[in-house]
Amino acid sequence: DTGVSQNPRHKITKRGQNVTFRCDPISEHNRLYWYRQTLGQGPEFLTYFQNEAQLEKSRLLSDRFSAERPKGSFSTLEIQRTEQGDSAMYLCASSSGGDGTGNTIYFGEGSWLTVV
Amino acid sequence: AQSVTQLDSQVPVFEEAPVELRCNYSSSVSVYLFWYVQYPNQGLQLLLKYLSGSTLVKGINGFEAEFNKSQTSFHLRKPSVHISDTAEYFCAVSDRLNKFYFGSGTKLNVKP
Repeated sequence: DTGVSQNPRHKITKRGQNVTFRCDPISEHNRLYWYRQTLGQGPEFLTYFQNEAQLEKSRLLSDRFSAERPKGSFSTLEIQRTEQGDSAMYLCASSSGGDGTGNTIYFGEGSWLTVV
Repeated sequence: AQSVTQLDSQVPVFEEAPVELRCNYSSSVSVYLFWYVQYPNQGLQLLLKYLSGSTLVKGINGFEAEFNKSQTSFHLRKPSVHISDTAEYFCAVSDRLNKFYFGSGTKLNVKP
């Protein structure tokens, strides 16, 4: 078990460019979550998947954000036309089980995005 | 909807002193409660969780937390802290959909 893996760990991009982050969950975890964390704040929910199905998207996620989880394994989070306000750490987490299980979610080390 | 409040943004404490980090939650339904720790430039690691049963929960690194339903609290405690406990601590609740909601965090600064 190698844990949740995220890459790249750091990304600096110019405003207006597109960026994509990848998350590889713990193997056989069927739930995958994306969170965003800014300095001095706790993680904010963005979206989550049960296998390949996207269950919910937060209102924080504008149309410039899209997440996919083809085949229910790894996931990608793409941000189009980046803005300076997108600068944050993007955290991926995974868990086993489904609704009402109280299962722990396990986090990756995050992907830092800086938009200049 | 669920919400989590961590009133103390920073807690300074001397090494070997006891510490309590406060967490209150708001929910109209039963939830599960968690504490996570985050070291600089890293993701979050689970310290402990409460699902049901005994209201006193023991976690890793000597931490424990007590669930108080009437006060909707889940405070984290350690009787004697070490320098290595310096980190940011997040309280979280998960709902019946297994979505997690986090507080804004408490930075614990252990001084020698």
